[in-house]
Amino acid sequence: ILNVEQSPQSLHVQEGDSTNFTCSFPSSNFYALHWYRWETAKSPEALFVMTLNGDEKKKGRISATLNTKEGYSYLYIKGSQPEDSATYLCAPGSGGYQKVTFGIGTKLQVIP
Amino acid sequence: NAGVTQTPKFQVLKTGQSMTLQCAQDMNHNSMYWYRQDPGMGLRLIYYSASEGTTDKGEVPNGYNVSRLNKREFSLRLESAAPSQTSVYFCASSDLIDRLLSGNTIYFGEGSWLTVV
Repeated sequence: ILNVEQSPQSLHVQEGDSTNFTCSFPSSNFYALHWYRWETAKSPEALFVMTLNGDEKKKGRISATLNTKEGYSYLYIKGSQPEDSATYLCAPGSGGYQKVTFGIGTKLQVIP
Repeated sequence: NAGVTQTPKFQVLKTGQSMTLQCAQDMNHNSMYWYRQDPGMGLRLIYYSASEGTTDKGEVPNGYNVSRLNKREFSLRLESAAPSQTSVYFCASSDLIDRLLSGNTIYFGEGSWLTVV
């Protein structure tokens, strides 16, 4: 089971601010890195799957980068909106695609 | 398209009672999972099943058993419930279609809220 660290654990930003947070994971035996968005009282939904060092993915105002050599991924949100309020989870997979372990997540609160 | 369906959604148990959480997926996925979510702990993997006929322990398997009944269904059983098992339980499924394109995206059910008193 991988040790996954996400920081910060919680974050409050004003509407319109841009923000970013970090997922750190062991760089050895890397397979894939997933980002999920988890709104309160709902189930997590996939945002991105990243597999190659240097990958950069984008969906609207949200983007993510991946560095497999040093074992980290950044998630960026440009111009945060209240609907971006959620917990953002990262999950590296390693040693076989079934072993997906989640970090605790970064809980983002966007204040109108 | 139902995706991942789990039942019951809410359950209150007395300490020592047993119960089974049911899960079914209609996406023809090979892999299925059970996670629990607790405040400050994130999602922790209880058991997973890489394919029909196989099951493996995750991070927190103690107190649970699982059955991969067929490709669609993966149940989680609490034989003798304890207050420490009060949690929200998520069933999930995934499949590896193409590592470079899709990795191993996990699709979650809506969660089952279990309280053990």
